[in-house]
Amino acid sequence: AQSVSQHNHHVILSEAASLELGCNYSYGGTVNLFWYVQYPGQHLQLLLKYFSGDPLVKGIKGFEAEFIKSKFSFNLRKPSVQWSDTAEYFCAASSNSGNTPLVFGKGTRLSVIA
Amino acid sequence: GAVVSQHPSRVICKSGTSVKIECRSLDFQATTMFWYRQFPKQSLMLMATSNEGSKATYEQGVEKDKFLINHASLTLSTLTVTSAHPEDSSFYICSASSQGNQPQHFGDGTRLSIL
Repeated sequence: AQSVSQHNHHVILSEAASLELGCNYSYGGTVNLFWYVQYPGQHLQLLLKYFSGDPLVKGIKGFEAEFIKSKFSFNLRKPSVQWSDTAEYFCAASSNSGNTPLVFGKGTRLSVIA
Repeated sequence: GAVVSQHPSRVICKSGTSVKIECRSLDFQATTMFWYRQFPKQSLMLMATSNEGSKATYEQGVEKDKFLINHASLTLSTLTVTSAHPEDSSFYICSASSQGNQPQHFGDGTRLSIL
């Protein structure tokens, strides 16, 4: 069955610390990968996406993610977090076969403290 | 700006009431929309796939007679929670994409509270 796993339930970092959130997927065939962010009280917003090509994907707000096919991973990174990055982060995947629904990981809550 | 509009954002009603949630794609046509449900502190779970002009496809365990989905046009899908009960209280979110392989845009979600 298709699945997405996020290893960390809650991450607490100080401002300026580096961030890496783990995401592994289990999918047959070609896969599209996404990271979404949900700020408190707001809707899901797309941070970045990987469809094909360069496995290192750069998104908004200084985030990036690397697709490592051999590890079935798509970890999210940011070199220096800010207090405003406090949010819930969801990794998601879909099959590369047209307009298909997303399978989400359980999410990682990031708390950035001053 | 937002490309998927979801309404209402918050509903509080009595048990036994039916509640309709609308999902509109604002600047593109969506032949397919998706309805998700998010329980507190959990991830989004797909409920159903809404197909314009045809019946929705429901995920296993989702009661199609309880969660009625209508996709009457290329820009509008509705989810009606019929005879809602407290256990139906949740956060419901719709999404749509303009064409295959494009990232989905999410509505703001509807927080449904059944008393």
